[in-house]
Amino acid sequence: GAVVSQHPSWVICKSGTSVKIECRSLDFQATTMFWYRQFPKQSLMLMATSNEGSKATYEQGVEKDKFLINHASLTLSTLTVTSAHPEDSSFYICSAPGQDSYGYTFGSGTRLTVV
Amino acid sequence: KQEVTQIPAALSVPEGENLVLNCSFTDSAIYNLQWFRQDPGKGLTSLLLIQSSQREQTSGRLNASLDKSSGRSTLYIAASQPGDSATYLCAVRRHGSSNTGKLIFGQGTTLQVKP
Repeated sequence: GAVVSQHPSWVICKSGTSVKIECRSLDFQATTMFWYRQFPKQSLMLMATSNEGSKATYEQGVEKDKFLINHASLTLSTLTVTSAHPEDSSFYICSAPGQDSYGYTFGSGTRLTVV
Repeated sequence: KQEVTQIPAALSVPEGENLVLNCSFTDSAIYNLQWFRQDPGKGLTSLLLIQSSQREQTSGRLNASLDKSSGRSTLYIAASQPGDSATYLCAVRRHGSSNTGKLIFGQGTTLQVKP
């Protein structure tokens, strides 16, 4: 089945620095990648949708200048949290639509802690 | 606007019990519905995918049903085991292309199966 590889699995960074999270589709081409964040004991909230070859679409309330998304190729999408602050600490997960019979495939998530 | 609700929010049962998790959605115009499992601090694992034209799907001890007209889905877990302890999320995919057919998640049901 479709596999999405997400790295890093966890990262600790200082306030004010930037962090890049990568998601790669390993055995299929992902023209679209969804980026979610999840706070403790809460569900997944869609942040943005990246599309290969075009600008990302951000959900209402998500700062596009803070969460930079790049869909460099059909197998790679990145999320960069710029000038991170402690309130950005969260669990970030990417997801790509697979074939219809498989639904959506999720990465393993990235735990970001900003200190 | 599609809203997905899961009841109960938390559930604790003794090992061996059969149980039902509920998911309801407000807009019946869905493409499919997917049930996921999430272990603490981990990504999502797809359990079952039900297309809008289907009524149920089964995988091992899991059975998921879909009643689109009433906006409901249930996940039935037979003979529960401690290893089933996790958070279970249901998500509906809006009708449309993969680019616009993003997933809307419920809040999840956290299940604890006691030995």
